[in-house]
Amino acid sequence: EVQLVQSGAVVRKPGQSPKISCKASGHTLSDFWVAWVRQMAGKGLEYMGIISLGAADTRYSPSFQGQVTISADRTIRTSYLQWTSLKASDSAIYYCATMTGAGWFDTWGRGTQVTVSS
Amino acid sequence: FMLTQPHSVSESPGKTVTISCTRSSGSIASNSVQWYQQRPDSAPTALIFEDSQRPSGVPNRFSGSVDSSSNSASLTISGLETEDEADYYCQSFDDNNHIFGGGTKLTVL
Repeated sequence: EVQLVQSGAVVRKPGQSPKISCKASGHTLSDFWVAWVRQMAGKGLEYMGIISLGAADTRYSPSFQGQVTISADRTIRTSYLQWTSLKASDSAIYYCATMTGAGWFDTWGRGTQVTVSS
Repeated sequence: FMLTQPHSVSESPGKTVTISCTRSSGSIASNSVQWYQQRPDSAPTALIFEDSQRPSGVPNRFSGSVDSSSNSASLTISGLETEDEADYYCQSFDDNNHIFGGGTKLTVL
């Protein structure tokens, strides 16, 4: 069974550049895609971008291009989401999810709460 | 493109409810539509993929369909149970970008 374990909640100040992680276990393939999805308090799901753990191919939603960096360490099957410079409006829960070849998100992590407060 | 869902729907236990998801531009049939359920304080889980397929473990009370004439997809839940009370999101993609609908809050009265 594939599981995604996300790093714990973080509290940071505006302007900082935290990095949160998502570690995959139980996946039999060496190459798979991991997506990141934002959910602001009381709001819907927003797709941020995706990375191939095998090919290191990364694609961003136009809404998040330049605001965040998605990276991965394939040796430990872990994807990372890092901010260029946090803003108060970045406070949200961030989910990672694996994507199938057909383009749907089959396994989700439990989410990481990011709180931005001065 | 955008995917538009009703903000909320409500129905009684045992009844059937349908949630729509309308694509704003381009054909709904050009890319598959998925549906996710998100219960309060939980991560989303996949309910329907490729328009009408259910992942293993999802009850057949949940079904999906696509209607090209209205350029929309639908999620139908029959035999409503109180545990079905949740937010439901449709999702599709185009040009390497994935789009979620705004979500529909289902209340089971």
